[in-house]
Amino acid sequence: DIVMTQSPDSLAVSLGERATINCKSSQSILYSGNNKNFLAWYQQRPGQPPKLLIYWASTRESGVPDRFSGSESGTDFTLTISSLQAEDVAVYYCQQYHSTPITFGPGTRLEI
Amino acid sequence: EVQLLESGGGLVQAGGSLRLSCTASGFSFRTYGMAWVRQAPGKGLDWVSGIGDSVGESSMYYADSVKGRFTISRDNSKNLLYLQMNSLRPEDTAVYYCARLILTGSHARGYCDSWGQGTLVTVSS
Repeated sequence: DIVMTQSPDSLAVSLGERATINCKSSQSILYSGNNKNFLAWYQQRPGQPPKLLIYWASTRESGVPDRFSGSESGTDFTLTISSLQAEDVAVYYCQQYHSTPITFGPGTRLEI
Repeated sequence: EVQLLESGGGLVQAGGSLRLSCTASGFSFRTYGMAWVRQAPGKGLDWVSGIGDSVGESSMYYADSVKGRFTISRDNSKNLLYLQMNSLRPEDTAVYYCARLILTGSHARGYCDSWGQGTLVTVSS
């Protein structure tokens, strides 16, 4: 199974500052056919279902503010929020969909 | 607007059964894969099961933890997704989310671009 790890477990960032969340896969989740990593990022606000932010590691979902961005380097992935807003308080999860079982990271809690 | 509404959760004793339903609207249900993802109280996300679209409907996936106990199915004529859960265990206690699945490969793999509000399943010992 592909194990997804995230760091840090929790993070406190001031309003307007940058937040960076890391995710690492235990093996490559790159599909050589299209040179894309099978990785998604989700945001889960308190009491709400998850919301898709990023897929293919760096493609922003329609309607997601452009302060959210995803990047990749090998098996390391990063979600960056360029200027933190109050509504960004949430738990963020990465997910690999390269292989079954599909697996999520344990989550990173982001606070102000 | 995509809407997914789960129902069927509740309290059940260990060894019992429940059937979850998910009513979909706002999109062409038959052309999308679908998935069930659960979240135990205070815990992270756990992929339970996925099913292909009307073309690949026979494509299903189950997590090892539920294989042989849970069955995913869909009724495209009614825009309904189901999860039949048998031989329930206390560790199955969770909020179960229905999600629209953007298929990216075999075995109902993909990412979820829309989620329901979830239905709580509590299994008592």
